[in-house]
Amino acid sequence: DADVTQTPRNRITKTGKRIMLECSQTKGHDRMYWYRQDPGLGLRLIYYSFDVKDINKGEISDGYSVSRQAQAKFSLSLESAIPNQTALYFCATSDIGGLGVSTDTQYFGPGTRLTVL
Amino acid sequence: GEDVEQSLFLSVREGDSSVINCTYTDSSSTYLYWYKQEPGAGLQLLTYIFSNMDMKQDQRLTVLLNKKDKHLSLRIADTQTGDSAIYFCAEAASSGGYQKVTFGTGTKLQVIP
Repeated sequence: DADVTQTPRNRITKTGKRIMLECSQTKGHDRMYWYRQDPGLGLRLIYYSFDVKDINKGEISDGYSVSRQAQAKFSLSLESAIPNQTALYFCATSDIGGLGVSTDTQYFGPGTRLTVL
Repeated sequence: GEDVEQSLFLSVREGDSSVINCTYTDSSSTYLYWYKQEPGAGLQLLTYIFSNMDMKQDQRLTVLLNKKDKHLSLRIADTQTGDSAIYFCAEAASSGGYQKVTFGTGTKLQVIP
């Protein structure tokens, strides 16, 4: 079974609709992230969470919100979707090493392809 | 701010060596990474190098780090068709009390049989 899962894998929606993308992990990691991938732009960080009570904006948080329901679950919402939010969205997790030193290796889900018409 | 740059595309023949290059701007980076993204999948860590190292070798992969020039490269020896993917360079640097990871734009490697 995959360590980081995302649902749905594909979604087509219309402008103005509210959309929620969900992410679950079985790695037991405290840190979780949402990125979007656009051709030629690489990955850009939307939000990140270091634990259930710690949520932070990334570089492109406008138009998005998140909820960390539990250590294992981190969801991303688009309150009113717009066409330029069409992209591939990735959830990722990372962990702290035993002595507080971490390589911050990130473990990615398979992605959700979102199309906003 | 942090910036990580890569060329967008590289094409090599099967059996040749591939060299993917990356430049970064943050001199306080602690770790630098190479991730691989196969079609329809998320990114997977290939290898990483600590910022006080110059080179790291792992089977067919060789990572070279030039801290002075802020240049990172990934060499894949004996490139195979299964190596066709997008390769992302990333750096971790301290920012406001935590390590912020910044990804490059990705280099699409095409291996010609």
